[in-house]
Amino acid sequence: KQEVTQIPAALSVPEGENLVLNCSFTDSAIYNLQWFRQDPGKGLTSLLLIQSSQREQTSGRLNASLDKSSGRSTLYIAASQPGDSATYLCAVRVGSARQLTFGSGTQLTVLP
Amino acid sequence: GAVVSQHPSWVICKSGTSVKIECRSLDFQATTMFWYRQFPKQSLMLMATSNEGSKATYEQGVEKDKFLINHASLTLSTLTVTSAHPEDSSFYICSARDETVSQETQYFGPGTRLLVL
Repeated sequence: KQEVTQIPAALSVPEGENLVLNCSFTDSAIYNLQWFRQDPGKGLTSLLLIQSSQREQTSGRLNASLDKSSGRSTLYIAASQPGDSATYLCAVRVGSARQLTFGSGTQLTVLP
Repeated sequence: GAVVSQHPSWVICKSGTSVKIECRSLDFQATTMFWYRQFPKQSLMLMATSNEGSKATYEQGVEKDKFLINHASLTLSTLTVTSAHPEDSSFYICSARDETVSQETQYFGPGTRLLVL
């Protein structure tokens, strides 16, 4: 059974810092991995999707990397802003399974 | 990007009543939709996969007679919480896949907060 772990559970940084969020998964035979953002009491916004054949994806200040063999992904946020404060979730899709398995999330607070 | 809506956004009900939550894909057709439940400060747990025109597939431990799912069209799935109890209070989120998109991104609704008194 696929298990997804995110470390740290919570992170607080001053504005302007670069930061890295970590995601690990136990079954390396993934189809793709996705990073989401969730604001309090809201649904999920997809940030980046990495196919199993890809190593990284970039969108603006966000860069996500994928190392399938080691079962790891990182989300790099450059020049953090208070508006980046949210919970960040990673999720993996395994093989032919249609559903996503989510990590428990990292709650990020960027202090002004 | 594709949009998925949910209605209602929040609901308060008395114990023993039934609550219906709608999930709609607004600008694409979705043969498959997913229902998740999220407790405070926890991640999303998949409850069931809703298949258009056929029965839903429930995850282990989810009572299908309590959480009724109907996917009657390519743009609408409903989740009915029957005889709701306080322990059913949670945040329910649906998602849908746009299978015309090569990367098969899942789009999530804004969620429905259910409080059972």
